Amino acid sequence: EDQVTQSPEALRLQEGESSSLNCSYTVSGLRGLFWYRQDPGKGPEFLFTLYSAGEEKEKERLKATLTKKESFLHITAPKPEDSATYLCAVPSNYQLIWGAGTKLIIKP
Amino acid sequence: GAVVSQHPSWVICKSGTSVKIECRSLDFQATTMFWYRQFPKQSLMLMATSNEGSKATYEQGVEKDKFLINHASLTLSTLTVTSAHPEDSSFYICSARASGHNEQFFGPGTRLTVL
Repeated sequence: EDQVTQSPEALRLQEGESSSLNCSYTVSGLRGLFWYRQDPGKGPEFLFTLYSAGEEKEKERLKATLTKKESFLHITAPKPEDSATYLCAVPSNYQLIWGAGTKLIIKP
Repeated sequence: GAVVSQHPSWVICKSGTSVKIECRSLDFQATTMFWYRQFPKQSLMLMATSNEGSKATYEQGVEKDKFLINHASLTLSTLTVTSAHPEDSSFYICSARASGHNEQFFGPGTRLTVL
């Protein structure tokens, strides 16, 4: 059964304190892994697609990486405006299998 | 690019009335659109998948006669909550996917409150 697990559930960091979020997956025939950001009361905002092990993508303070079993979302020197829930998902049978998300809180 | 809009952003209605929510892909053609609902502090729950010009496919436990979905064009899908009740109060979010792509792009969501 295809599955996506995210850790930690929540992460509190001081402004400027770098860290990583994890997304572990088991899926037959990976057709991409997606990262989204969701702010309270809003729809998810697309961040990255990764297709193959070793691939990396960056956007501002975020960098996503992919291995054969997991993906990491590295956040470098975060700011309070980076506070959000970060979701990862993989396609399976024309749908997306979602992780439960990591709630990231950046304290000034 | 890849912008999806939803209307309205919030709606309050009386129990027993019907509410229609629109989802539009503004700058791409969405061959497939998805409707989700999300309860506070919970994950997205897929309700149904619709392909343009076809009947929607509903997830187990979602009543198709209560949640009517129409995907009449490549840029518009509508969700109608019929005879709404307080337990239907939730955050409804649509997403759209272009042909040949796996990424879904989400609308901003609609907050429905049924009194």
